Amino acid sequence: QQQVKQSPQSLIVQKGGISIINCAYENTAFDYFPWYQQFPGKGPALLIAIRPDVSEKKEGRFTISFNKSAKQFSLHIMDSQPGDSATYFCAADYNTDKLIFGTGTRLQVFP
Amino acid sequence: DAGVIQSPRHEVTEMGQEVTLRCKPISGHNSLFWYRQTMMRGLELLIYFNNNVPIDDSGMPEDRFSAKMPNASFSTLKIQPSEPRDSAVYFCASRRTGRANYGYTFGSGTRLTVV
Repeated sequence: QQQVKQSPQSLIVQKGGISIINCAYENTAFDYFPWYQQFPGKGPALLIAIRPDVSEKKEGRFTISFNKSAKQFSLHIMDSQPGDSATYFCAADYNTDKLIFGTGTRLQVFP
Repeated sequence: DAGVIQSPRHEVTEMGQEVTLRCKPISGHNSLFWYRQTMMRGLELLIYFNNNVPIDDSGMPEDRFSAKMPNASFSTLKIQPSEPRDSAVYFCASRRTGRANYGYTFGSGTRLTVV
């Protein structure tokens, strides 16, 4: 119940395309769903986050879609750029100190 | 704000030696986390502290691992004795807790190689 399942493990997208990464969870008590972006040699960095009281949050080219009934959320990267090539982690939390991370998706955007 | 500061950035040591990793969290952040990242296992939470007190150390792999947080601005993760399977990138992260669920800030990590 504590797991967050993330897919796909890796993703290859052409420049200008849409990248979509999906996550699913079981624990309905989760109330905070962030996405982290990690470049090689760096620590993960908070990209965007959503709470279950909204179904979508957009920041620039990055959008989180949230489906509370299906217990799923996804990250959409519009107009993907080579600079977006990184590993992306979804995560979940329920008013505790401890984030539960997904297993990560390695995104490669080719020109 | 200098962010979360970890040292050293890289550590190469021989099997059996003691290794100490260091972390300085962001000032005002009252939770601190130690993670280990490998290709096989992804990001694993080893231990976390809240207000300098260890809250959950269930992720610490075995007695060879220990962590301390003597004050709000410093934490250490020690491995003694080290083994080749401990080779990984170790991240420290800090967070300001509260009902707003503030996000983690990660350091740049320590890449540990045990030969």
